[in-house]
Amino acid sequence: AQTVTQSQPEMSVQEAETVTLSCTYDTSESNYYLFWYKQPPSRQMILVIRQEAYKQQNATENRFSVNFQKAAKSFSLKISDSQLGDTAMYFCARGNNNDMRFGAGTRLTVKP
Amino acid sequence: DAGVIQSPRHEVTEMGQEVTLRCKPISGHNSLFWYRQTMMRGLELLIYFNNNVPIDDSGMPEDRFSAKMPNASFSTLKIQPSEPRDSAVYFCASSLGGPGNTIYFGEGSWLTVV
Repeated sequence: AQTVTQSQPEMSVQEAETVTLSCTYDTSESNYYLFWYKQPPSRQMILVIRQEAYKQQNATENRFSVNFQKAAKSFSLKISDSQLGDTAMYFCARGNNNDMRFGAGTRLTVKP
Repeated sequence: DAGVIQSPRHEVTEMGQEVTLRCKPISGHNSLFWYRQTMMRGLELLIYFNNNVPIDDSGMPEDRFSAKMPNASFSTLKIQPSEPRDSAVYFCASSLGGPGNTIYFGEGSWLTVV
């Protein structure tokens, strides 16, 4: 199966600092989409940011931005000015015409 | 706008009983997904429907699991008979146009089988 790998099971960051979560993926498709979802303790899955593979420009959404390296199949998430409410599980996902696969997640803790 | 609606939110049942989880996707969405989340296995895709037709059910763990989508606004995931190892959070999600588009999740159904 084509997989999504998040190599950091847990991370922590001080409030107001910047943190980067890593993700690599595997796909044989030429057209696909990449996502970061956030899952707070409530277990609700919330879309954080979305990147279309055919776009070279990295997506940004307020304090959240990605570093998309297509050749390396890497899709990292940068959170700037971390806030206590950013504490959650973060899932990287890859979607194409056939399916949507998620990584195992990174548990991020923002410390006051 | 209403999001993806799942029921029940929580269910506790005894081993051997039948469990039915229900989902109403976002109106207008033509793709529907059932995921299962456990500590051990993370978030697993069980089955994916497009235009009410099952496209990929390779993630369905065994014959005890079945899913249906009789119309565009309703889907069920059934487990019969249920076992303790089925205890998990089951998410329904929907999207417009297929898995490459943004998937919107319901709040999940927390299943405990004792």
